[in-house]
Amino acid sequence: AQSVTQPDIHITVSEGASLELRCNYSYGATPYLFWYVQSPGQGLQLLLKYFSGDTLVQGIKGFEAEFKRSQSSFNLRKPSVHWSDAAEYFCAVALRSNDYKLSFGAGTTVTVRA
Amino acid sequence: DAGITQSPRHKVTETGTPVTLRCHQTENHRYMYWYRQDPGHGLRLIHYSYGVKDTDKGEVSDGYSVSRSKTEDFLLTLESATSSQTSVYFCAISEGPEQYFGPGTRLTVT
Repeated sequence: AQSVTQPDIHITVSEGASLELRCNYSYGATPYLFWYVQSPGQGLQLLLKYFSGDTLVQGIKGFEAEFKRSQSSFNLRKPSVHWSDAAEYFCAVALRSNDYKLSFGAGTTVTVRA
Repeated sequence: DAGITQSPRHKVTETGTPVTLRCHQTENHRYMYWYRQDPGHGLRLIHYSYGVKDTDKGEVSDGYSVSRSKTEDFLLTLESATSSQTSVYFCAISEGPEQYFGPGTRLTVT
């Protein structure tokens, strides 16, 4: 069955430390890949996306993600987190053959400590 | 920001009553989607539309119906609301892989 897995439910990092959020997917073909961020009580904001080409993609707010086909992974990274990065992060995938319907992971909540 | 609005933004209703949520776009996008967000589940697709009067079911469609009579409007109806439908509902639009999300509607069924 097709699925998106975010193994970490909650991560706590110190301000200024690096952050990596994991995402694995199970699809027959390489899907379109996305990372969204949601601050408390807010809607979803697109951080970055991967459709094809360079497997390291840059996004907004200093985030980047790397697509690894062999591992079916699309991990999100940030070299130095800021207190404002405290939020919930969602990995999502879509297929053109499936009318671009998004399948989301369960989300990872990031807490930033001073 | 993409022109997507949802109404109402908050609603409290009683079990057994019908509820309709509205999604309105000004982008003329072909695809429109309804998702629900629940803790521990991320967002799950309820129904979607790939054109006027063209709709299909998503992952969690039981208890929900949709209609799209105009490009700009996509309605989600709970025929008889249940407590399990208490959730935050998001509408999204797209012309391709990238979806743009509305602000959400928080629905509480008591």
